[in-house]
Amino acid sequence: RKEVEQDPGPFNVPEGATVAFNCTYSNSASQSFFWYRQDCRKEPKLLMSVYSSGNEDGRFTAQLNRASQYISLLIRDSKLSDSATYLCVVVTDTGRRALTFGSGTRLQVQP
Amino acid sequence: EAQVTQNPRYLITVTGKKLTVTCSQNMNHEYMSWYRQDPGLGLRQIYYSMNVEVTDKGDVPEGYKVSRKEKRNFPLILESPSPNQTSLYFCASSPWYSNQPQHFGDGTRLSIL
Repeated sequence: RKEVEQDPGPFNVPEGATVAFNCTYSNSASQSFFWYRQDCRKEPKLLMSVYSSGNEDGRFTAQLNRASQYISLLIRDSKLSDSATYLCVVVTDTGRRALTFGSGTRLQVQP
Repeated sequence: EAQVTQNPRYLITVTGKKLTVTCSQNMNHEYMSWYRQDPGLGLRQIYYSMNVEVTDKGDVPEGYKVSRKEKRNFPLILESPSPNQTSLYFCASSPWYSNQPQHFGDGTRLSIL
């Protein structure tokens, strides 16, 4: 079983739609969680950190469920510019600070 | 502007010819790391450094070396590159405390023929 699992998609949605991605992780001792966005094999860019209480940044909402070991990302009112691959990222080894990446979920927002 | 800078951005070379990919950050970060990204395998950590003169292996260190003589620089060295090291490489940095996200460089696309 992979340490971090995501549905690869693609998710094809119309502009204005609401879309949600889930990500599960296997290590219950994982400390930190993030969503990164990656465009066309460019560098991953931080979208948002994920906090235990859930957090929102504009149209984006992230949630963490430690009991079930999953993280979610909700995007409201999708824009064409949201088209990208969304990477779920978990810090699984605090000493090594290695980011463990999910394989990514591809989102394509269509006009 | 806060950034992580990698060079070169693209390189095509031949098996066995030593090469170095440089990484420099201007944010005074203690932690730096190298990842490679391959289709179907995602991003995997090669080496990391917690601070100057402190480096350690990640998940896929074979065939690579690193050094951290200065806080801002963390070069990746391929002493004898082989075709299976053809990949997209990213350098990242962050402050030492674990809940801070890592900032990535633009990436280096290496092709080893």
